[in-house]
Amino acid sequence: GQNIDQPTEMTATEGAIVQINCTYQTSGFNGLFWYQQHAGEAPTFLSYNVLDGLEEKGRFSSFLSRSKGYSYLLLKELQMKDSASYLCAVYRLGTYKYIFGTGTRLKVLA
Amino acid sequence: DAGVTQSPTHLIKTRGQQVTLRCSPKSGHDTVSWYQQALGQGPQFIFQYYEEEERQRGNFPDRFSGHQFPNYSSELNVNALLLGDSALYLCASSHIGQGRQGSSVGELFFGEGSRLTVL
Repeated sequence: GQNIDQPTEMTATEGAIVQINCTYQTSGFNGLFWYQQHAGEAPTFLSYNVLDGLEEKGRFSSFLSRSKGYSYLLLKELQMKDSASYLCAVYRLGTYKYIFGTGTRLKVLA
Repeated sequence: DAGVTQSPTHLIKTRGQQVTLRCSPKSGHDTVSWYQQALGQGPQFIFQYYEEEERQRGNFPDRFSGHQFPNYSSELNVNALLLGDSALYLCASSHIGQGRQGSSVGELFFGEGSRLTVL
């Protein structure tokens, strides 16, 4: 299967920390990607995990556990501009497909 | 360095018509994928082109077809348009071998998309 599950919506306060979870059931896993998409715009790449563990990139970090089929995106020191949809995507080896979840709409409140 | 470019940005068609969308990949990229994104949904994989051939296809009918040219640019064609084809069509380019952490898989770079409205 290739189900990817993410929460539909989340709300957080400016300056806070938020964790967006993603679970997947897919065989032939080769990488997990996180993208940010502002309304009406194209997705932009945030982070990528192939191996288990935490990848840190400024205010954004992403974690992967391949055995659990689980990833999360951690956003620190939230800013209003972080209000966007966050898409989790899985690449399946040999299929050339990046399979996207439905995205999590994050609202950052002042 | 130009990123992924798509045209047109917006277009309106009526049911039954045909549409062609165009994409130029990021410099140095040889692989183009097309995605359909309905409002409030994640991108759905349509197909991928590499070396001018369709290498993989998602669950889309034959009304959706494509082409890749020697310069790696690509077209998406949709025939016999339906109301349900209204969506944002995203082109994404990549290059196999430009991965991280020992992987050959790199991230997708998306264009701004072509928003198609079918009336």
